[in-house]
Amino acid sequence: AQKVTQAQTEISVVEKEDVTLDCVYETRDTTYYLFWYKQPPSGELVFLIRRNSFDEQNEISGRYSWNFQKSTSSFNFTITASQVVDSAVYFCALSIDNYKLTFGKGTLLTVNP
Amino acid sequence: NAGVTQTPKFRILKIGQSMTLQCAQDMNHNYMYWYRQDPGMGLKLIYYSVGAGITDKGEVPNGYNVSRSTTEDFPLRLELAAPSQTSVYFCASSYSPGQGMRQPQHFGDGTRLSIL
Repeated sequence: AQKVTQAQTEISVVEKEDVTLDCVYETRDTTYYLFWYKQPPSGELVFLIRRNSFDEQNEISGRYSWNFQKSTSSFNFTITASQVVDSAVYFCALSIDNYKLTFGKGTLLTVNP
Repeated sequence: NAGVTQTPKFRILKIGQSMTLQCAQDMNHNYMYWYRQDPGMGLKLIYYSVGAGITDKGEVPNGYNVSRSTTEDFPLRLELAAPSQTSVYFCASSYSPGQGMRQPQHFGDGTRLSIL
């Protein structure tokens, strides 16, 4: 069975700080896909990134970056120079078939002005 | 382009009542999903469908039923509502895995359901 662990339940930072959200996954499959979603206070789910298990390159998109390390089964998410609008719950998710998702419990990020 | 539309947005039910949560997508996606999100928890898959006429159980299917008579619609039915089914329900849709390398699931805005 697959499992995603987001050990940080809540994180609070001050604006402009960098923050890293941790994600550790478990699967016996060699092919799998990892995702990050953002859930702002309004409640909708916003897709951020998908990464497959064969691509360990780190990715950067503006202030967001992702560090995928198969050796530690981790797919961590870093927000650089955080902003108040980054306040949300962030979910890491895993899929072994590229459609059904197993979600972590999420990390509530609060960015204070 | 409406994407994934869920109705209603909010609903209060009494124990033992039944209701149907509606979900419709206009992106011609083959795959559709129902998740529930309990407070402080991630989303858990209830049911999914890989095409019209085909449905299958997810991680937490007990107490729910689904049908998929068209590509566009994927309603979720609660037959005998129980307090444990108080949750936020999300419908999602996607292309099949072979149709795109980076196609994510598109989520609706959710239905907040309380059973009292």
